[in-house]
Amino acid sequence: AQKVTQTQTSISVMEKTTVTMDCVYETRDSSYFLFWYKQTASGEIVFLIRQDSYKKENATEGHYSLNFQKPKSSIGLIITATQIEDSAVYFCAMSRTGNTGKLIFGLGTTLQVQP
Amino acid sequence: EAAVTQSPRNKVAVTGGKVTLSCNQTNNHNNMYWYRQDTGHGLRLIHYSYGAGSTEKGDIPDGYKASRPSQENFSLILELATPSQTSVYFCASGGRDKNYAEQFFGPGTRLTVL
Repeated sequence: AQKVTQTQTSISVMEKTTVTMDCVYETRDSSYFLFWYKQTASGEIVFLIRQDSYKKENATEGHYSLNFQKPKSSIGLIITATQIEDSAVYFCAMSRTGNTGKLIFGLGTTLQVQP
Repeated sequence: EAAVTQSPRNKVAVTGGKVTLSCNQTNNHNNMYWYRQDTGHGLRLIHYSYGAGSTEKGDIPDGYKASRPSQENFSLILELATPSQTSVYFCASGGRDKNYAEQFFGPGTRLTVL
């Protein structure tokens, strides 16, 4: 069965530092997509970045980047130069088997950025 | 300019009453989804749709119906609301077809069933 696991429940970092959030997944698919989302304090869920499993290069988007380690079924989110407004809950997600467009989500990691 | 909107944003309903949550998207995406979010469970898929006229059951469809009358609109219907359906509901759209794609979420609806 497919599964997405985020082992870090919460992380606290100082502003302007770099933080990495972990995510491991389970799938038997040979091709799949991985995503990271951010949920702000207001409840808004925002798409951040995506990694296609067949691409060896790690995706980057602004101050977000990914550490994709396919042999370890791992997709870490790296945020550089963190800002107070990066404080939020971050969800990892994976495309589901069957080419349906559906996603399976992890339970999230709460990031608190301290001034 | 928001691409996915939901109404109402907050709703208080009585047990046994009918509740309809509405979602509109301007992304021109074929696929649309309804989730509920509860502490400890994350985002759980209730129903989804591949296009106008289509609805499919997700992981937790019991007690919910869905309707997709057009490309832009997708509704979630609770025919007989129960307190266990108190939750935050999110609508999302994503993908031009059944291929994998990121989903874009609406702002959510907080539903309380008394």
